[in-house]
Amino acid sequence: AQSVTQLDSQVPVFEEAPVELRCNYSSSVSVYLFWYVQYPNQGLQLLLKYLSGSTLVKGINGFEAEFNKSQTSFHLRKPSVHISDTAEYFCAVSSNTGNQFYFGTGTSLTVIP
Amino acid sequence: NAGVTQTPKFQVLKTGQSMTLQCAQDMNHNSMYWYRQDPGMGLRLIYYSASEGTTDKGEVPNGYNVSRLNKREFSLRLESAAPSQTSVYFCASSEAGSENSPLHFGNGTRLTVT
Repeated sequence: AQSVTQLDSQVPVFEEAPVELRCNYSSSVSVYLFWYVQYPNQGLQLLLKYLSGSTLVKGINGFEAEFNKSQTSFHLRKPSVHISDTAEYFCAVSSNTGNQFYFGTGTSLTVIP
Repeated sequence: NAGVTQTPKFQVLKTGQSMTLQCAQDMNHNSMYWYRQDPGMGLRLIYYSASEGTTDKGEVPNGYNVSRLNKREFSLRLESAAPSQTSVYFCASSEAGSENSPLHFGNGTRLTVT
């Protein structure tokens, strides 16, 4: 089975500052990794995904994430945040042996003007 | 470009009442899913359907039933609602049931059981 841990439930950051949202996973098999964003009263939207290849993945809205197999991590980063980045962010994992996705508990990012 | 459509958006039930949450996708995806979202718990899978005609239990199936009516539609039924089922419910779909195909989500149904 797979599991996902998001280490920070809330992250406040000032506008134009960099941010890193942490995600660790556990799995005994190869996995695919995803970051989703949820704006208030909306569903989840895909930010980026790692399937294979380059460990640095770029997504929408200037976000990127780096897959680190040895540390079983997939941290999300943005060099300069905007007010509009205020949202809930979810890390998710799926295995290459099943049809299920496992989500972390989410990180609430608040960008302070 | 509708994507995944869920109805209703809001619902209030009394304990013991029943209801069906509807979900439809127009992306010709094979797989469909029902999740519930609760504060501090992330998203938990209730049921999923890998393809038309099949359904499987997820992490928290108790108290729910599902129907994959056709390729487009996947409904979630609460036969006898309980306060513990107060939650936000999300339907999602993915292409071809592939593990590397991301999920596409609807906007959710906010359910309150009193």
